[in-house]
Amino acid sequence: QKEVEQNSGPLSVPEGAIASLNCTYSDRVSQSFFWYRQYSGKSPELIMSIYSNGDKEDGRFTAQLNKASQYVSLLIRDSQPSDSATYLCAVNNDYKLSFGAGTTVTVRA
Amino acid sequence: GAGVSQSPSNKVTEKGKDVELRCDPISGHTALYWYRQRLGQGLEFLIYFQGNSAPDKSGLPSDRFSAERTGESVSTLTIQRTQQEDSAVYLCASSTGHSYEQYFGPGTRLTVT
Repeated sequence: QKEVEQNSGPLSVPEGAIASLNCTYSDRVSQSFFWYRQYSGKSPELIMSIYSNGDKEDGRFTAQLNKASQYVSLLIRDSQPSDSATYLCAVNNDYKLSFGAGTTVTVRA
Repeated sequence: GAGVSQSPSNKVTEKGKDVELRCDPISGHTALYWYRQRLGQGLEFLIYFQGNSAPDKSGLPSDRFSAERTGESVSTLTIQRTQQEDSAVYLCASSTGHSYEQYFGPGTRLTVT
């Protein structure tokens, strides 16, 4: 079983819609969870961090964490073409981060 | 402030040659990580440095790979006798050491011909 699993996509959403990305992890002791955005040919960029159960909102992004279910999600509201990218879920494994393979999102105009 | 910087941005080398990649972390960040990302693949952990502690080398794929870091400054990743399968983007990230948030540099794209 992979440590961090994401649907690879691609996830295609119309402009203005909500994009919903899911991530599950295997290590119950993990305490820190991150979402990175990676544009094609670029390096990952940290967009959200979440440490407690519940929702955390930052602009058009909302991260949701459920430690009991070992589940993290990212919602992108009012999706824009500039949101088209691969989104990586990362979970701490002691001092290291374990990354999912990423979900590719395409926002169509 | 300045982010993580890496050099060179691109490197083309012949099979069998040695290459050295450089990473300059964010000032004050004590933790430094190297990753490899093959085309269309996820991030593969290579090595981790934290201050003056012994590095975690558990992700290095072979003894052709080595890395050094002096204190909390620049790190170099060396690949000896490069092979075509070493072609990838090599990413460096740093963090404060108190948080697990990692910030990535722009990467070095290595092509072995």
